[in-house]
Amino acid sequence: QQQVKQSPQSLIVQKGGISIINCAYENTAFDYFPWYQQFPGKGPALLIAIRPDVSEKKEGRFTISFNKSAKQFSLHIMDSQPGDSATYFCAASGVGQLTFGSGTQLTVLP
Amino acid sequence: DVKVTQSSRYLVKRTGEKVFLECVQDMDHENMFWYRQDPGLGLRLIYFSYDVKMKEKGDIPEGYSVSREKKERFSLILESASTNQTSMYLCASSSTHRGQNYGYTFGSGTRLTVV
Repeated sequence: QQQVKQSPQSLIVQKGGISIINCAYENTAFDYFPWYQQFPGKGPALLIAIRPDVSEKKEGRFTISFNKSAKQFSLHIMDSQPGDSATYFCAASGVGQLTFGSGTQLTVLP
Repeated sequence: DVKVTQSSRYLVKRTGEKVFLECVQDMDHENMFWYRQDPGLGLRLIYFSYDVKMKEKGDIPEGYSVSREKKERFSLILESASTNQTSMYLCASSSTHRGQNYGYTFGSGTRLTVV
């Protein structure tokens, strides 16, 4: 079974700090790596995504770092805010079907 | 604003009942998916469909079936609900263009409780 391994399972960060969530994948055919953000009672929403032809993508306070040789990618949240408190899922796919990580529950303390 | 709409936010059903969860998308996406989400287990794929009247088993299809009679609608059926099917159910849709996958759009979920 194709897997995407995500860590940590939970993360507590002070307001203004940097939150870092890591994922590792096995299938070298994967060519699309999105991150999803889920608030309680809501479905996951696409946050940011990267393709393997670039090593980094930044959108506002959110950055994906991608290491193709190590088969790893990570989400960095700069200047973390209490409103960022949510569950974050990484995912990876080739054509059609996404494989999700197990999720990270982020809590940003005020 | 594009949408994936799940017909119910909360459902309570009795053991043994046949349960229908409905999902409709308005984005003309060819791909549709059903997941269940449980604490500590992440998102687990139940069934998916790449086209009308087509269906494929995901990782945990046992006890479930699906129907896709129209492109915009994908139904999940619990043939005989059991307590271990108490969960959050999420529907998603996506498009694939020129072999490239585009991100899923999820519905808000249906929290099903089987008593």
